[in-house]
Amino acid sequence: EAGVAQSPRYKIIEKRQSVAFWCNPISGHATLYWYQQILGQGPKLLIQFQNNGVVDDSQLPKDRFSAERLKGVDSTLKIQPAKLEDSAVYLCASSLDRLAYGYTFGSGTRLTVV
Amino acid sequence: DQQVKQNSPSLSVQEGRISILNCDYTNSMFDYFLWYKKYPAEGPTFLISISSIKDKNEDGRFTVFLNKSAKHLSLHIVPSQPGDSAVYFCAAPGGGSQGNLIFGKGTKLSVKP
Repeated sequence: EAGVAQSPRYKIIEKRQSVAFWCNPISGHATLYWYQQILGQGPKLLIQFQNNGVVDDSQLPKDRFSAERLKGVDSTLKIQPAKLEDSAVYLCASSLDRLAYGYTFGSGTRLTVV
Repeated sequence: DQQVKQNSPSLSVQEGRISILNCDYTNSMFDYFLWYKKYPAEGPTFLISISSIKDKNEDGRFTVFLNKSAKHLSLHIVPSQPGDSAVYFCAAPGGGSQGNLIFGKGTKLSVKP
């Protein structure tokens, strides 16, 4: 089975610019997650989708971050405008349902804001 | 406030010996725990889990032990192999939604040939 696909792998932008990340989950996986991993920290949940609906976005900085999952498949995460502290790896993960905790992560997008 | 703590940033062991990675948690409501393994430039990969109704779960060379009274779990790798060199994260379901995982900061394991 194909894994979780993410692009781009790397992105360097200047502060105040905007950036978007794309994720294609494993086919048939209803639940999709975006995590942020800052260097030296563990991943932290930003947003969770169940099909195309948002389940949890309590830790998403909504003044600058947005995410959507149209048609319940692919998802995009956007940052506008970016800040220096947004430098991190953005990980997408998917699972069959909410209770399948051993879910599959993509390789991530490493964002550097300069 | 960290609910899942991995206090050792790094661990170095010799090939063939036992690796023991530790994890502490503060929330007594946690009832399920997972370990993930992460290689550089890759996403974390699920390794092994344990439910709070058990105190041990084994999968090949990997065994996780849970001590609920101490709010402590550990991952044992026996025997350690160079390919086990990676960052290991302890995690527990928590937060406002089902599916959300709270991760520790990770322990970098280096297995020397």
